[in-house]
Amino acid sequence: SQTIHQWPATLVQPVGSPLSLECTVEGTSNPNLYWYRQAAGRGLQLLFYSVGIGQISSEVPQNLSASRPQDRQFILSSKKLLLSDSGFYLCAWSVSGGWSGNTIYFGEGSWLTVV
Amino acid sequence: AQSVAQPEDQVNVAEGNPLTVKCTYSVSGNPYLFWYVQYPNRGLQFLLKYITGDNLVKGSYGFEAEFNKSQTSFHLKKPSALVSDSALYFCAAGGGSQGNLIFGKGTKLSVKP
Repeated sequence: SQTIHQWPATLVQPVGSPLSLECTVEGTSNPNLYWYRQAAGRGLQLLFYSVGIGQISSEVPQNLSASRPQDRQFILSSKKLLLSDSGFYLCAWSVSGGWSGNTIYFGEGSWLTVV
Repeated sequence: AQSVAQPEDQVNVAEGNPLTVKCTYSVSGNPYLFWYVQYPNRGLQFLLKYITGDNLVKGSYGFEAEFNKSQTSFHLKKPSALVSDSALYFCAAGGGSQGNLIFGKGTKLSVKP
């Protein structure tokens, strides 16, 4: 069966410091990978998605970047955090291939507080 | 623009009563519709989805949802609510030219004993 791991679970970082959140998926090959952010108001915002190694699509302009150095590894980064980067970050995956209603499965999330 | 609406921020239900969490969508072409549940400080868990076929979809934990094309709705239902069903519920849609899911803002379900 497939599993998704995301870490760290919680993070408190000062403004201006760097960020690295990591996500790995096991039990599948060449998954589509996603980073979402859930702000306090509960809505989900798609930040990045990737259909393969080195292929990253950004949905919104922001202070964050994403990388996919390996098939099942997805990293969310920032060089200098802003207060507005605080939130709950969710990594997710779906099976590869074109869009056909594939289910997106989520990790347990990472709480980021920028102080 | 494609969108998903969950018109109720919160739904309150007594344990044992039926529950409905509403969702309407606007997607070009044939929609793919999903429901997810989120418990506090946890990731989203997949409940059920509609791709094609029977309009009534059954999912995990006794939940079901009915696809209504004419009303562009996909309401989540359960015949008898449990206190443990209390959580945040998200409706999501994809399809047409949309390569990813669009999520509603979520509905908080509160089931009281």
